[in-house]
Amino acid sequence: DAEITQSPRHKITETGRQVTLACHQTWNHNNMFWYRQDLGHGLRLIHYSYGVHDTNKGEVSDGYSVSRSNTEDLPLTLESAASSQTSVYFCASSESGAGNTIYFGEGSWLTVV
Amino acid sequence: GNSVTQMEGPVTLSEEAFLTINCTYTATGYPSLFWYVQYPGEGLQLLLKATKADDKGSNKGFEATYRKETTSFHLEKGSVQVSDSAVYFCALSAYTGGFKTIFGAGTRLFVKA
Repeated sequence: DAEITQSPRHKITETGRQVTLACHQTWNHNNMFWYRQDLGHGLRLIHYSYGVHDTNKGEVSDGYSVSRSNTEDLPLTLESAASSQTSVYFCASSESGAGNTIYFGEGSWLTVV
Repeated sequence: GNSVTQMEGPVTLSEEAFLTINCTYTATGYPSLFWYVQYPGEGLQLLLKATKADDKGSNKGFEATYRKETTSFHLEKGSVQVSDSAVYFCALSAYTGGFKTIFGAGTRLFVKA
């Protein structure tokens, strides 16, 4: 079965360190997304990609970067982790076009101390 | 811009009670509308969707009707079960230089036995 996997599932890191969260999907979807979920804010879009070598900023992109070198992977990098980036991060993917379902990974719990 | 507003939670119900979670949206054009559900410790998964006005989405006893005249997509279930305890997200997908999905803040549902 096709799936979307995230790693690591849980991580504790120190302020100022660079952290990369991996996301791999086997749906062969063009669209991939990174969201963060925080109490009181719901899901907020960090970055998204509509295909290989395409990346775009979402509403909360400061301090984060992504790259898309192939269809399957969209790693999320926190360049210099801050305590405000303690959150649950969800990777997701979908087919192109209107009305398509978004498929989510199980989440990566990141704590910055 | 596009937005989704859903009722604040938590919502606490007894088993077999009727459930309504309100969702209204603001969008240009003709968005697709979704309800996603998040069980504890998991990512979001699609519950149901509707892609045009007057369509009714349904799944697992849940229903929602796309009402363009009232810009609403309220989620209903006639008889909730303890296993329905989760967070429910209303979402819309619309074209804004690419198809993007916007989520509401989520409504937590607790069902008591």
